Amino acid sequence: DIELTQTPLSLSATPGQPASISCKSSQSLLRRDGRTYLYWYLQRPGQPPQLLMFEVSKRFSGVPDRFSGSGSGTDFTLKISRVEPEDVGVYYCMQSLQFPLTFGGGTKVEIK
Amino acid sequence: QLQESGPGLVRPSETLSISCTVSGDSINSASYYWGWIRQPPGKGLEWIGSIFYDETTYYNPSLKSPVTISLASSKNQLSLKLTSVTAADTAVYYCARQKIESSMILYFDYWGQGALVTVSS
Repeated sequence: DIELTQTPLSLSATPGQPASISCKSSQSLLRRDGRTYLYWYLQRPGQPPQLLMFEVSKRFSGVPDRFSGSGSGTDFTLKISRVEPEDVGVYYCMQSLQFPLTFGGGTKVEIK
Repeated sequence: QLQESGPGLVRPSETLSISCTVSGDSINSASYYWGWIRQPPGKGLEWIGSIFYDETTYYNPSLKSPVTISLASSKNQLSLKLTSVTAADTAVYYCARQKIESSMILYFDYWGQGALVTVSS
């Protein structure tokens, strides 16, 4: 199974300041078709997860451009350029390169 | 939209059955898989399995309780069954639509609100 390790486990962010979350994969998520099957989700309190980014750096419909994704191979980062109060929740990375599909353990973001 | 409905409480060793009604989309679409994901209270997300309209199904082999995912096309529903459940199967169960492209399974783009199922005597 592909293991996804997220760091930090939690972070306290200041509104208007940047924040970043790391996701490291136990193996490369780059497929021979040139695509990288790594996604980011945000789960707000009491809500289902919502898709933020797909294929590392592509924002899903309606996702604010303060969110960006980067990385390649096994190391990935989700960045929030200016944290806003509604960004509170748990962020998960997920891979679909290989079955079983797996999620990272999550990073809890709170606002200072 | 996706809406789960489940029993709320299941006894240990019994069968957990949950259904997910899909509206605004057809489960017979060749553009999507339909998946189940669960989340134990206070913990992270675990993929259970995904099914295609032709009933091609993939399961997570790490689940200890036997799993079956099926479709009911006439009702535009998918369902999940876990047999011989234990307390470890207590979780919020989500159904979600999963995009595919070029035969590759991609991301879950739309999720139901989830159904909490507690396994307890």
